[in-house]
Amino acid sequence: DAKTTQPPSMDCAEGRAANLPCNHSTISGNEYVYWYRQIHSQGPQYIIHGLKNNETNEMASLIITEDRKSSTLILPHATLRDTAVYYCIVGNTDKLIFGTGTRLQVFP
Amino acid sequence: EAGVVQSPRYKIIEKKQPVAFWCNPISGHNTLYWYLQNLGQGPELLIRYENEEAVDDSQLPKDRFSAERLKGVDSTLKIQPAELGDSAVYLCASSGGSGNEQFFGPGTRLTVL
Repeated sequence: DAKTTQPPSMDCAEGRAANLPCNHSTISGNEYVYWYRQIHSQGPQYIIHGLKNNETNEMASLIITEDRKSSTLILPHATLRDTAVYYCIVGNTDKLIFGTGTRLQVFP
Repeated sequence: EAGVVQSPRYKIIEKKQPVAFWCNPISGHNTLYWYLQNLGQGPELLIRYENEEAVDDSQLPKDRFSAERLKGVDSTLKIQPAELGDSAVYLCASSGGSGNEQFFGPGTRLTVL
């Protein structure tokens, strides 16, 4: 399974867009990119996933580069409740290998 | 719709004692996962069930850990005997099948003294 590299922490002002980067240069052709987040004292929560094309849902947008070696999760209007650890995972849904993620702090 | 239910939420035991965690997945979800999460780390898969069959238990320390899902619904994870290093959060997740997102429970925080 491909490994991912994420910054350990990021800050974002409330109401602004939060752009969380992820590098996955060893991703293989059939591996998806998944994003989960974990709010303090809760289990991880699925956000979005994609293979090649950009994806958008009610929570976020996922931008995957054309060579698929990196991606960006975008929270368009961050709120205080978006403060959490965000995990970028590549692989298949049957076996999610979590790294240490990015701790996003949204401030007022 | 009820989410994944886990109990207990917290457990404190002394080392060498046994402990068990229970998980009730989302109704209709055939796939069930147990994860271990150490402080400051991401969750690590211990075992995955497809219905009542354990299809991936390669990361389960079988000398002291065991799991069962007898009727393909609820599941129990057991540690016997517990060691100090087993202190962690134990997470259960379920999904509707291959290719579907995983839904996680709130976890059981185990403290071994």
